[in-house]
Amino acid sequence: DAKTTQPDSMESTEGETVHLPCSHATISGNEYIYWYRQVPLQGPEYVTHGLQQNTTNSMAFLAIASDRKSSTLILPHVSLRDAAVYHCILRVDQGGSAKLIFGEGTKLTVSS
Amino acid sequence: AQTIHQWPVAEIKAVGSPLSLGCTIKGKSSPNLYWYWQATGGTLQQLFYSITVGQVESVVQLNLSASRPKDDQFILSTEKLLLSHSGFYLCAWSLGYNNQAPLFGEGTRLSVL
Repeated sequence: DAKTTQPDSMESTEGETVHLPCSHATISGNEYIYWYRQVPLQGPEYVTHGLQQNTTNSMAFLAIASDRKSSTLILPHVSLRDAAVYHCILRVDQGGSAKLIFGEGTKLTVSS
Repeated sequence: AQTIHQWPVAEIKAVGSPLSLGCTIKGKSSPNLYWYWQATGGTLQQLFYSITVGQVESVVQLNLSASRPKDDQFILSTEKLLLSHSGFYLCAWSLGYNNQAPLFGEGTRLSVL
């Protein structure tokens, strides 16, 4: 079972800043938080990841709560291309490799 | 730069027929490799992973098998397809350290009729 909880869907308008919340109340001390996004019939696209500190890259800003039980992916000035299902995932280590347990994610709709 | 290539892009197969899907990673040596599957309208599930040539671990039993004949190649196969095998198959890779995020290929769409 997925170890994170996300809203099923969110709506936005082009140009807005979108905040996508994720709850991970049972996160362990060494578990990283990963964000991917996926559009139909394409592989998931990596967005960002973090452990404790907030992180930023060209795609998004990841804000991690001080207790690490929740995080928020912030998408500045969204465009129609940002419409996708966004997955918040905790990496599970298995035998030296990574296991990603996907849930339903949040379907982000962007209107013009 | 590293690239991941999956083949074929799409397949339409009959129930009971064999299947072979491939994945190649270029530009990285000794990557960890993964197979994921997504039923239509469903969530992604990890099927297999491999951390070295010749070694594959099964995560979910779906009457499928996987092999890693070369460092940069991962094969998913079965001798007899079931209707339930239909869906979207994705290969992914990551490094075995530094918590690098697995990166996914473009996938193979499989329809079993």
